[in-house]
Amino acid sequence: NAGVTQTPKFQVLKTGQSMTLQCAQDMNHNSMYWYRQDPGMGLRLIYYSASEGTTDKGEVPNGYNVSRLNKREFSLRLESAAPSQTSVYFCASSEDGFNYGYTFGSGTRLTVV
Amino acid sequence: AQKITQTQPGMFVQEKEAVTLDCTYDTSDQSYGLFWYKQPSSGEMIFLIYQGSYDEQNATEGRYSLNFQKARKSANLVISASQLGDSAMYFCAMREGPVMKTSYDKVIFGPGTSLSVIP
Repeated sequence: NAGVTQTPKFQVLKTGQSMTLQCAQDMNHNSMYWYRQDPGMGLRLIYYSASEGTTDKGEVPNGYNVSRLNKREFSLRLESAAPSQTSVYFCASSEDGFNYGYTFGSGTRLTVV
Repeated sequence: AQKITQTQPGMFVQEKEAVTLDCTYDTSDQSYGLFWYKQPSSGEMIFLIYQGSYDEQNATEGRYSLNFQKARKSANLVISASQLGDSAMYFCAMREGPVMKTSYDKVIFGPGTSLSVIP
């Protein structure tokens, strides 16, 4: 099925450990995004990529890095995890234009202890 | 600045009844899209319905309809004949303007409304 594939679904990290969240889409979308969702905070944009080879900071980029490896893949890296990064992470992609919404991945529930 | 307001943190509705989830938005753009997403307890984000700022008719998708009042900047979601499976978080979202080389458009989400359907 066409869509956004996000891995892993669950992860527990110790403080200071690093990890990469993987995201791939097969819809030939230019734009890809990483959001985090926290209770009472809604969805907040971490980083986005408007096209292959470009990335930009969103609302809450501190502590994260991203790579747009190619048009399909957009990964999110936590270099040194902190308990404040405990959250649910969503990758999304979209066509360009205000009349297109997002297609979301299934989410990653990350716990940092 | 872009903003989405959902004033109902939680709502209850009797099964088979209709329910309206409120959403107001703030934008200075003439071109924008409005979206509703459903997030069940399993966590995935499911697209429900879209309304364009230039659309003269309210959008409908099955049991979902969007009550679009442009002058009031509101985009309320109406769910008819509620079902137990409609229990979920519902997010209103907006995306502004045409894509330009020197600007970037992204979707802004509201805080969500938790809907519980009572048997």
